[in-house]
Amino acid sequence: AQSVAQPEDQVNVAEGNPLTVKCTYSVSGNPYLFWYVQYPNRGLQFLLKYITGDNLVKGSYGFEAEFNKSQTSFHLKKPSALVSDSALYFCAVRDMFWEENTGFQKLVFGTGTRLLVSP
Amino acid sequence: DVKVTQSSRYLVKRTGEKVFLECVQDMDHENMFWYRQDPGLGLRLIYFSYDVKMKEKGDIPEGYSVSREKKERFSLILESASTNQTSMYLCASSLGLAASYEQYFGPGTRLTVT
Repeated sequence: AQSVAQPEDQVNVAEGNPLTVKCTYSVSGNPYLFWYVQYPNRGLQFLLKYITGDNLVKGSYGFEAEFNKSQTSFHLKKPSALVSDSALYFCAVRDMFWEENTGFQKLVFGTGTRLLVSP
Repeated sequence: DVKVTQSSRYLVKRTGEKVFLECVQDMDHENMFWYRQDPGLGLRLIYFSYDVKMKEKGDIPEGYSVSREKKERFSLILESASTNQTSMYLCASSLGLAASYEQYFGPGTRLTVT
């Protein structure tokens, strides 16, 4: 089964500094990878995805992620953090399964990383 | 803008009660999902539906059932609530099941079973 791992429960960074939230994946075949963000008291919002193509993917709110096949990683990055970026971040991977000859796709999420940006 | 709404933000129920969590999306999406979110465990898929009246089990379907009578509405049912079902429940929808379609999430329902 496909899986992702987020090795850090929490990341602390000062406003204005670059930030990285780590994600590694384990898949068979080509990985389809996603980042979602959850602001306090709100549902998850889609940030960006890697399906194929350029290894550097740009997304919402100035975030980007770098797909690295040799290191099986898909780290989320931002050049200059804002206090408003403080949130819970989830990495996810597409998993495919079969039921009676019909293929279905679902997302498998990591455990989440809390980002705290201090003023 | 896609809007996914959930019937309650907070819910408190007693052990053994039957609980209904409702989710409605307004973008004519084919697919709808129910997840539960627990600290340290991330999001885990309970059930999903790819069409009206169609459903598939996710990773943790035990103790839950679902109903999708109309395209825009997907209900999660706890037949007999238990304390280990205290959690945040998130509903999502997507236009298709292909990887290129992102999922849109509702605000969540925090359920406490006492």
